[in-house]
Amino acid sequence: EADIYQTPRYLVIGTGKKITLECSQTMGHDKMYWYQQDPGMELHLIHYSYGVNSTEKGDLSSESTVSRIRTEHFPLTLESARPSHTSQYLCASSEFEGFQPQHFGDGTRLSIL
Amino acid sequence: AQSVTQLDSQVPVFEEAPVELRCNYSSSVSVYLFWYVQYPNQGLQLLLKYLSGSTLVKGINGFEAEFNKSQTSFHLRKPSVHISDTAEYFCAVSDYNQGGKLIFGQGTELSVKP
Repeated sequence: EADIYQTPRYLVIGTGKKITLECSQTMGHDKMYWYQQDPGMELHLIHYSYGVNSTEKGDLSSESTVSRIRTEHFPLTLESARPSHTSQYLCASSEFEGFQPQHFGDGTRLSIL
Repeated sequence: AQSVTQLDSQVPVFEEAPVELRCNYSSSVSVYLFWYVQYPNQGLQLLLKYLSGSTLVKGINGFEAEFNKSQTSFHLRKPSVHISDTAEYFCAVSDYNQGGKLIFGQGTELSVKP
């Protein structure tokens, strides 16, 4: 059973607010990922990290930013939320070696009014 | 670039019937294949994976998948489905060029009816 936690699970907030979505894992995984998923659609990678102080942009352009100061923590920040940011955001992690499967959190469903 | 196609967006099936969810990927020398399930309002849970070895892979909840290199396919099967199998299923692939990153298919919504 994966130990990866995302908070909040649901967030409804007004335009222009700064938002931070939290993601923490207790498995000691080096690799962490953020995906964006619209309802009934596929997942798109927006950020990933292969370790502390390592962050890269994913395949889908995003106005969000991430940081990786600690191995277990990979927060995602939106400086000024807009309605176009409304979506579900999923965090995942995996071991560094080989092609091990990713373990997912339950996601944050974000709605910008 | 690697890509994944799930051929059916929705698959309705009656309880206790067999089901096959189809997945094709673009060709690559060595690929690593995964099936995930997503229940409503939850994240993705790993069903099974193919990294190497036997082409028939068994996963959780009675699911299995077969890796077919010549047809670049990784179809998911279950001989008898339950109502509780109703969910979204995602096929994903990675290869050396992806560095461990996953490319996901569009998803297949499995709806099991009584």
